[in-house]
Amino acid sequence: QKEVEQDPGPLSVPEGAIVSLNCTYSNSAFQYFMWYRQYSRKGPELLMYTYSSGNKEDGRFTAQVDKSSKYISLFIRDSQPSDSATYLCAMGANAGGTSYGKLTFGQGTILTVHP
Amino acid sequence: DADVTQTPRNRITKTGKRIMLECSQTKGHDRMYWYRQDPGLGLQLIYYSFDVKDINKGEISDGYSVSRQAQAKFSLSLESAIPNQTALYFCATSDSGRGHEQFFGPGTRLTVL
Repeated sequence: QKEVEQDPGPLSVPEGAIVSLNCTYSNSAFQYFMWYRQYSRKGPELLMYTYSSGNKEDGRFTAQVDKSSKYISLFIRDSQPSDSATYLCAMGANAGGTSYGKLTFGQGTILTVHP
Repeated sequence: DADVTQTPRNRITKTGKRIMLECSQTKGHDRMYWYRQDPGLGLQLIYYSFDVKDINKGEISDGYSVSRQAQAKFSLSLESAIPNQTALYFCATSDSGRGHEQFFGPGTRLTVL
């Protein structure tokens, strides 16, 4: 069983829909939870970052972490065609109070938002 | 200019050949990483380096080797390429205090025939 599981989709939604992307994990040592976005033919880029449990909001994006259930989510409100990309969850452990850097990624979910 | 560059961007080679992929960065970060990406498998860590003298194996290091020539340069070698090493390879960097925020290069698409 992989340490991080992510539904690969693909997911296709109409413009304006609310999108929910999810990952589960098994390693209790994970403290840092990230969502990376990868456009076609590009490298991933950091979209959202959360430390430990809780919610974080940035514009149309909300990241949620539930450590008790080992479950993280990314919500996209009012989705736009420009949100079409692959979304990768990633997780890392703590080391001396800073993020260690050795990340474990989910498989990625391919999202298409059609006009 | 891009902060993290990779060369070549595309490479087709034959089984048994030695291949080197190169990565350079101008971000001033001390940490560098090599990942491979396969459809349906996400990103898998091959090697990572926290400074020039600190190199560590990742999840899938067998068949690969690396060299950290300078803080800004990190190369990945396939000593004897095989077809199941066909994949998209990414280099990434991060600042030492912010390992969760990694900056990726544009990738190298490698095909081994």
